[in-house]
Amino acid sequence: DIQMTQSPSSLSASVGERVTITCRASQSISTYLNWYQQKSGRAPKLLIYAASTLQTGVPSRFSGSGSGTDFTLTISSLQPEDFATYYCQQSYSNPVYTFGQGTKLENK
Amino acid sequence: EVQLVESGGGLAQPGGSLRLSCAASGFRFNGYWMTWVRQAPGKGLEWVAHIKRDGSEEYYVDSVKGRFAISRDNAKNSLYLQMNSLTAEDTAIYYCARSDWSHAFDVWGQGTMVTVSS
Repeated sequence: DIQMTQSPSSLSASVGERVTITCRASQSISTYLNWYQQKSGRAPKLLIYAASTLQTGVPSRFSGSGSGTDFTLTISSLQPEDFATYYCQQSYSNPVYTFGQGTKLENK
Repeated sequence: EVQLVESGGGLAQPGGSLRLSCAASGFRFNGYWMTWVRQAPGKGLEWVAHIKRDGSEEYYVDSVKGRFAISRDNAKNSLYLQMNSLTAEDTAIYYCARSDWSHAFDVWGQGTMVTVSS
């Protein structure tokens, strides 16, 4: 099974800061990597698919990069509505999937 | 409007059963693979089960194999999850989601809570 490991598990940042979250796969997954945002009490929302493609309607301050085993999600200038938990998910082994454990982004 | 609405959650006893439903609207349901994802209280997301467009293939996370069954009725635009032999570890919010062409989950329901307790 492919394991996904995110770092850090939690992160404190201020509005306007640049934030980077990392996701590492236990084996190469090419660019079969998706990112989700989940706000408290809400369903997850797809942000980025295929490692770097922004889902329709997602602000351009979000970006994704990487391939193989190492991936990053970057928020270029943190906004108040971005405080949430972020998950990576591999779809290389579809139709079997795994998520990372999540990164909670909190207001400093 | 593209929408998924789950129902059927509630309290079940250990060893008991529940059947979750997910009603789809606003898109061609039979054109998409569909999935169930769960989230235990205070924990992360866990993929549970996946079903092909025509229902002919099903896939499960190891922890639910032999206990859970995913199914769909394309005539009713509905997805189901039959959960048997429930344990406390199955306590979670269960989300249904649509899987798009890139194998990402692009539409999610609001979730339904399942609590397994005596």
